Amino acid sequence: GQQVMQIPQYQHVQEGEDFTTYCNSSTTLSNIQWYKQRPGGHPVFLIQLVKSGEVKKQKRLTFQFGEAKKNSSLHITATQTTDVGTYFCAGPNAGNMLTFGGGTRLMVKP
Amino acid sequence: NAGVTQTPKFRVLKTGQSMTLLCAQDMNHEYMYWYRQDPGMGLRLIHYSVGEGTTAKGEVPDGYNVSRLKKQNFLLGLESAAPSQTSVYFCASSYPRGGTGKNTGELFFGEGSRLTVL
Repeated sequence: GQQVMQIPQYQHVQEGEDFTTYCNSSTTLSNIQWYKQRPGGHPVFLIQLVKSGEVKKQKRLTFQFGEAKKNSSLHITATQTTDVGTYFCAGPNAGNMLTFGGGTRLMVKP
Repeated sequence: NAGVTQTPKFRVLKTGQSMTLLCAQDMNHEYMYWYRQDPGMGLRLIHYSVGEGTTAKGEVPDGYNVSRLKKQNFLLGLESAAPSQTSVYFCASSYPRGGTGKNTGELFFGEGSRLTVL
């Protein structure tokens, strides 16, 4: 079945440094979604990408969908302590239900 | 609007006991889901429902049953709990996934239910 992989699993950064998480799917995706989960919290929707090569920005966050629609990335510029959490990508499987990646846990040292 | 509400938030069970997790949503969403979250494994879909009276198996359905008797409620049952079912369980709801346009089919999650099976 479909697999969605994320790297790295963990990332420690100094506040102010940049951060990137990568998402790779074993199958071509019609779209990809990104979620953020704060420690002890629940996943919260961030964004959806649909078009090949699409790039979307939300303040310091930049999301990219690969040309082949099999990979995606999330880049955070100048991290802040409020960015702490786990970031998940998710893509629809053959049944149109979302398959989540394992997540990247971001830790920010002040 | 409360969004998605899960009860209970915490529960400790002994092996072989049964229990039911309740999920309620007030957003009139057609779709509802139960996921489990284990360290390093992300969120795995247990069962889902695309409408009142319908349910379907997800990625890891064994050992669980579900019911959707009312549109706003989705129940997850464990008939005979096992230590391998120790996890955090998340309920979510959404509109049908449109894939493009305004309807992203984004999932709205509850706050989670932490279950420990001894």
